[in-house]
Parts: sequence; structure tokens; C-alpha cells
Amino acid sequence: NAGVTQTPKFRVLKTGQSMTLLCAQDMNHEYMYWYRQDPGMGLRLIHYSVGEGTTAKGEVPDGYNVSRLKKQNFLLGLESAAPSQTSVYFCASSYPHTKETQYFGPGTRLLVL
Amino acid sequence: QKEVEQDPGPLSVPEGAIVSLNCTYSNSAFQYFMWYRQYSRKGPELLMYTYSSGNKEDGRFTAQVDKSSKYISLFIRDSQPSDSATYLCASNYGGATNKLIFGTGTLLAVQP
Repeated sequence: NAGVTQTPKFRVLKTGQSMTLLCAQDMNHEYMYWYRQDPGMGLRLIHYSVGEGTTAKGEVPDGYNVSRLKKQNFLLGLESAAPSQTSVYFCASSYPHTKETQYFGPGTRLLVL
Repeated sequence: QKEVEQDPGPLSVPEGAIVSLNCTYSNSAFQYFMWYRQYSRKGPELLMYTYSSGNKEDGRFTAQVDKSSKYISLFIRDSQPSDSATYLCASNYGGATNKLIFGTGTLLAVQP
């Protein structure tokens, strides 16, 4: 039981490049989330999904897109990376009925030059 | 104003000390209050949660919520070097999406 896994662990991009971050969970959770964590800003929700095929915007969605084609996977895309997107990205998942518990992945460190 | 405010620290204490970590929140609709612990270069993990007001104890940890003053606290008794981490408070409305609102986190260092 791997829990929530994220790939890659670390990536360096040049401004304007694109990339996709992959999140996978093996706990059969309905809900999945993408956060970014920046110093002094805490964890901020980018996008989330309440089920396969559904996505919704969070607090800071601009510059990101997501897809949830399979229940166990949640992809975060950056179409044209900007230095402001340098951050640590965390994926999380949860059951619908547990209001307090989200299970987080280990994070992806992204540096945009 | 952020909906959940937290002193970023850092907070440094000697081993065995009692630690008090605090947050305030602004939205009276919040119903669930959580503490997540995050070790360096790791993802956050749920430590404790409370629903509405009151106290909850789990071993050396006590979570306390005072809804009248919109104050959230975490107490750590007999602190250990292994407690050194960033502690994040979080709240949510209890709605269908389970969206959490996080504080910025307090960095705690317990010195042996």
C-alpha cells in the first residue's frame, strides 16, 4: 500500500516550458487535491476533484490545468511555466465522508528559471 | 486577511518543555479544526482533529478549540526532539468538497 505517490520528485524548467505532474493514490479515494506550498503563504489549493472525470478550481488556479481521467490519478499541468510557479507541489486525497483527513504525497519541488 | 492565521515562529524549546501552538480563524462557519505535522521535505500528515469546540487528547498531544474567541491550540507535553517539525493548523466548513484552509505553519525545534 503506497498511499499517495507523486512524480517527479524534483524538476527544473525554463520559463515558457510545459510539464505535467502526476499524482497516484491506491486507497480508492474519491476526492483528490493539488496544493502549492510557498514560504509565508502556507498550503494553497490549486484545483481539486470530487470524482473521476470532474475537476474544480481552488484558491490559486491561474496558470494550471488538471485532469482526472482515472479515479486513482490526478494530473496537474503547467502549459507555460513562469518563475512565480516555483514552489513545492503537494497532492492529497480523501474519502468524501472524512472531513478532516487528507492524505498527502511527498511533494514535487519545481524550480522555474 | 487570511481565514486562518498562524504565527510562523520559529519556536525553539528544550526537551521536556510544554509547547503551545496557536491559530486564529475568522470564519464562524468553520466546523472542523485540524493539526497537521510536516517534517522537513515531507508531506503533511494529520496529527489531530476536533469537531466544533472542546478539547481532545491523544497521548502527549492536546488539541483545543474555543469557537467563542475563534482560537485553535495544540499543546505538546514532554516535548521530544522527534517533535521537531512544522505544525499546520487547518479548518473547513464541513461541506461536500472537504476543502481545507491552512495556516502558514509554525516551525518547532526541540533541542536535546
